[in-house]
Amino acid sequence: AQSVAQPEDQVNVAEGNPLTVKCTYSVSGNPYLFWYVQYPNRGLQFLLKYITGDNLVKGSYGFEAEFNKSQTSFHLKKPSALVSDSALYFCAVRDGYSSASKIIFGSGTRLSIRP
Amino acid sequence: ETGVTQTPRHLVMGMTNKKSLKCEQHLGHNAMYWYKQSAKKPLELMFVYSLEERVENNSVPSRFSPECPNSSHLFLHLHTLQPEDSALYLCASSQDVRQSTNEKLFFGSGTQLSVL
Repeated sequence: AQSVAQPEDQVNVAEGNPLTVKCTYSVSGNPYLFWYVQYPNRGLQFLLKYITGDNLVKGSYGFEAEFNKSQTSFHLKKPSALVSDSALYFCAVRDGYSSASKIIFGSGTRLSIRP
Repeated sequence: ETGVTQTPRHLVMGMTNKKSLKCEQHLGHNAMYWYKQSAKKPLELMFVYSLEERVENNSVPSRFSPECPNSSHLFLHLHTLQPEDSALYLCASSQDVRQSTNEKLFFGSGTQLSVL
């Protein structure tokens, strides 16, 4: 069975500081991993994905995520936070052998960047 | 804009009402999805359609009835809902549902549903 966990409901960071939003996963096969962002009153938007290859994946708006197979983690990072990064972030995973309809989302982490 | 449009944006209904949520995508995608988003809970996949055929139905109560008349339109018909059904209902589309390394979902802005 697949699962994904986002252990923090909320992360608070000062503008200009680095940020990390944590995600751990469990799949039986090779993981396909995703991050989505949801701004207020909007649907989810794709940020980045890991399928294979380089463990450090770069995405939209200066975000990146690091795939760590031994720790089964896919943490989202940004070197310098902006107030406009404040939003709800979802990690998602699916088993590489299953269909795209089997993607599983986490419960979301609310990122708050203070000026 | 993501190319996925949902109407209405907000809906308040009584438990005896019948209403429908509408989703339209302008991306030429073959797959469409309904998700339920409740606070502090994982996104729940409700239904998946591929080329107008339902391919996934995740134990959703029968008071939710989906309809996909063509690959661009998706409806969620609602009747005799319960207060716990209050949530944000998100529609999404993707190129297809088959295994694909390029797969990503495009979401609408959602319908915020309140059941009184």
